[in-house]
Amino acid sequence: EDKVVQSPLSLVVHEGDTVTLNCSYEVTNFRSLLWYKQEKKAPTFLFMLTSSGIEKKSGRLSSILDKKELFSILNITATQTGDSAVYLCALGGAGSYQLTFGKGTKLSVIP
Amino acid sequence: EAEVAQSPRYKITEKSQAVAFWCDPISGHATLYWYRQILGQGPELLVQFQDESVVDDSQLPKDRFSAERLKGVDSTLKIQPAELGDSAMYLCASSPRLALREETQYFGPGTRLLVL
Repeated sequence: EDKVVQSPLSLVVHEGDTVTLNCSYEVTNFRSLLWYKQEKKAPTFLFMLTSSGIEKKSGRLSSILDKKELFSILNITATQTGDSAVYLCALGGAGSYQLTFGKGTKLSVIP
Repeated sequence: EAEVAQSPRYKITEKSQAVAFWCDPISGHATLYWYRQILGQGPELLVQFQDESVVDDSQLPKDRFSAERLKGVDSTLKIQPAELGDSAMYLCASSPRLALREETQYFGPGTRLLVL
């Protein structure tokens, strides 16, 4: 059974739309939740969240963690074609800092 | 900007052959990880090193996979013999020493393996 579940698995939007990607998890003992963007290569780091309710923001991207309800969201406003990628959510282990990834959400932004 | 280096970037092999992947982490990073990412899935940890020691290899199929980091710097992941199901992207990542609050893992470009 997957510990990190992302939804939707794929999403197609038009440029300028706002999207919300979801990540829910079962593990309660973890150190951090991370978001990565993966184009046709290795994942690149977006955000690391450790505290509930504190929004992290970078340009048009923002993310927040809800430790009570066990989920995180990644928001992208005013989407651009360059945002097309797979967005991965991962949990950082409490002890060894291993990452457990979800399957990702494939976002396609069309002009 | 320092990067994790991996080679080769692409590898095509026939089943039952041996393959090896190399990773050079960011200088000074004590922790090194090998992940396997099957198409349409997220990366799955295969093995984690702290310096030259294996911290966790519980997900490494040890009958055919081996990994080493002899001097605590670069690392090699080997598959022998390769099977069709091993076709995937093999990602290497590194991070500073454990227990640093804001550390993250930095990924290399990956080696894409195709087993025919």
